[in-house]
Amino acid sequence: SYVVTQPPSVSVAPGKTARITCGATNIGSKSVHWYQQKPGQAPVLVIYYDSDRPSGIPERFSGSNSGNTATLTISRVEAGDEADYYCQVWDRNDGHRVFGGGTKMTVL
Amino acid sequence: EVQLVESGGGLVQPGGSLRLSCATSGFTFSSYEINWVRQAPGKGLEWVSYVSVSGSITDYADSVKGRFTISRDNAKNSVYLQMNSLRAEDTAIYYCAREGTWQLLDYWGQGTRVTVSS
Repeated sequence: SYVVTQPPSVSVAPGKTARITCGATNIGSKSVHWYQQKPGQAPVLVIYYDSDRPSGIPERFSGSNSGNTATLTISRVEAGDEADYYCQVWDRNDGHRVFGGGTKMTVL
Repeated sequence: EVQLVESGGGLVQPGGSLRLSCATSGFTFSSYEINWVRQAPGKGLEWVSYVSVSGSITDYADSVKGRFTISRDNAKNSVYLQMNSLRAEDTAIYYCAREGTWQLLDYWGQGTRVTVSS
């Protein structure tokens, strides 16, 4: 099965830029989606198709995907961005949806 | 407004069964695939199961294959997850989520908690 790896945690100061990676073999050939989950809440889609933003998601959220790494970038980080972030892809070999292990982002 | 509302969770003994429901509104239900995703306490998201728009195609994570069955009723705008032979490791919050193009999950319910314990 396809394995997707995320760093367990990242820390960033308010106003700075956070980058959360999602690593897997040739992930650049897949569409990567990103979800934000705050404590006690359901996940929310924040980036889809590598770099598109759903309506209502701030422009501070962006994404990229190339080679073996996809990246979620959050610019001008705010305290309200503190959450767990998950990447997700589709493994066409077995048809399964696959999540990364999640990254807990702490705003210092 | 798109809404998905899960129900049916609870406490069950190992080896027991539960049936989860996901009631939807605010969109043309019969045009969308639906997934179940779970989250064990303090852990990450785990995809569990998928059902196609007609219900004729289903898929399961290896961890639940043979024990869980997903189904849908397009007349009732609802999806179900029949969970049998439950194990302690099935303890989690179970979310249903609508699937868009390229397998993105664009709307999620608030989840229903399942606890498997004696």
